Amino acid sequence: GQNIDQPTEMTATEGAIVQINCTYQTSGFNGLFWYQQHAGEAPTFLSYNVLDGLEEKGRFSSFLSRSKGYSYLLLKELQMKDSASYLCAVRDGGATNKLIFGTGTLLAVQP
Amino acid sequence: GAVVSQHPSRVICKSGTSVKIECRSLDFQATTMFWYRQFPKQSLMLMATSNEGSKATYEQGVEKDKFLINHASLTLSTLTVTSAHPEDSSFYICSATLIDRAGQPQHFGDGTRLSIL
Repeated sequence: GQNIDQPTEMTATEGAIVQINCTYQTSGFNGLFWYQQHAGEAPTFLSYNVLDGLEEKGRFSSFLSRSKGYSYLLLKELQMKDSASYLCAVRDGGATNKLIFGTGTLLAVQP
Repeated sequence: GAVVSQHPSRVICKSGTSVKIECRSLDFQATTMFWYRQFPKQSLMLMATSNEGSKATYEQGVEKDKFLINHASLTLSTLTVTSAHPEDSSFYICSATLIDRAGQPQHFGDGTRLSIL
């Protein structure tokens, strides 16, 4: 079956660094995406990994290990506006390239 | 950047009403669009994959006769919730992907909050 796991909730302090982990077991793999979703809004794209290693985009970095079925999203210099849900999604290798979403991690940034 | 427009943003209607939601890719062509449903404090659940010019592919457990999907052009897909009931109240979101470009993310519409009274 398809299974993508993330911690349900996390709390961090403004200015700090936080790492959100994602483990996956899927029948196919054609890339892993991280999205940010504020309450009541649609998800917005943060990062994409298809090969092993670290991808850095400003304050956000994402890491992938395909052999371990593991990814993490690293957020640096946390700001209050980073309080949101962070969704890990795996794109399967089928013809439609559909995304399978994880449970999402609700991050609360405190002053 | 790629923009996906979804309309309406919010619908409140009586039980038994059918509701149509539109999803448009504004500045790119999308052969494939996706429809998701999201309940409060839960993640996105894929309902169906909409392919231009062909029948949609529904996920297991999703009633195709209740959730009608039409993808008439490369820029428009519609989801019709037929004879909606209170249990259909949810946040419905569409997404689309640029065609023929590896690594392209799905771009999401702003979502439709459906409330059935």
